[in-house]
Amino acid sequence: DGGITQSPKYLFRKEGQNVTLSCEQNLNHDAMYWYRQDPGQGLRLIYYSQIVNDFQKGDIAEGYSVSREKKESFPLTVTSAQKNPTAFYLCASSILSSGNTIYFGEGSWLTVV
Amino acid sequence: QQQVKQSPQSLIVQKGGISIINCAYENTAFDYFPWYQQFPGKGPALLIAIRPDVSEKKEGRFTISFNKSAKQFSLHIMDSQPGDSATYFCAASRSGSARQLTFGSGTQLTVLP
Repeated sequence: DGGITQSPKYLFRKEGQNVTLSCEQNLNHDAMYWYRQDPGQGLRLIYYSQIVNDFQKGDIAEGYSVSREKKESFPLTVTSAQKNPTAFYLCASSILSSGNTIYFGEGSWLTVV
Repeated sequence: QQQVKQSPQSLIVQKGGISIINCAYENTAFDYFPWYQQFPGKGPALLIAIRPDVSEKKEGRFTISFNKSAKQFSLHIMDSQPGDSATYFCAASRSGSARQLTFGSGTQLTVLP
């Protein structure tokens, strides 16, 4: 089936550790995105990428890093510099031109313990 | 200004009633206005979208009303059902913007049986 696959669904991190969230899409979309969702705050853009080997910071990029080595993959690393990482993380993709539907994955829950 | 303001934060409606969620935007360059539906623990899914060349768009029980002069748009859910209970997000984007969507803060809708 075509879609966006995020893994793991649930992840626990100890303070001071880096963790990487996986996002893979087989929709042949050029653009990919990472959003963070906190209760009552909607979706906030962390990073986005339009083409391979290129990406831009969103509104809350501090403490996060990404890579785009392949068109279908856009992993997100939550570094120890992110002070409040507990949240629901959503990966998304779309065809390149704006004004088109963004498709979301099922999300990954990250909890700091 | 990229902000999109959404209200109310939560909404409780009786089965068969009309649910109305409102959004207001500031950036007059926005030209694509989608609504997303999100069930708990899932990623958001596109529900319906409108462009500013029309004032209303209807798909089944869901209608978007758009007021360009007031910079407002709203989602109406007719004959609301318990299965409609979810969080709804409005969003806006501007053609040519690689950032894609700016989201409202979300409305948690509960439809009582």
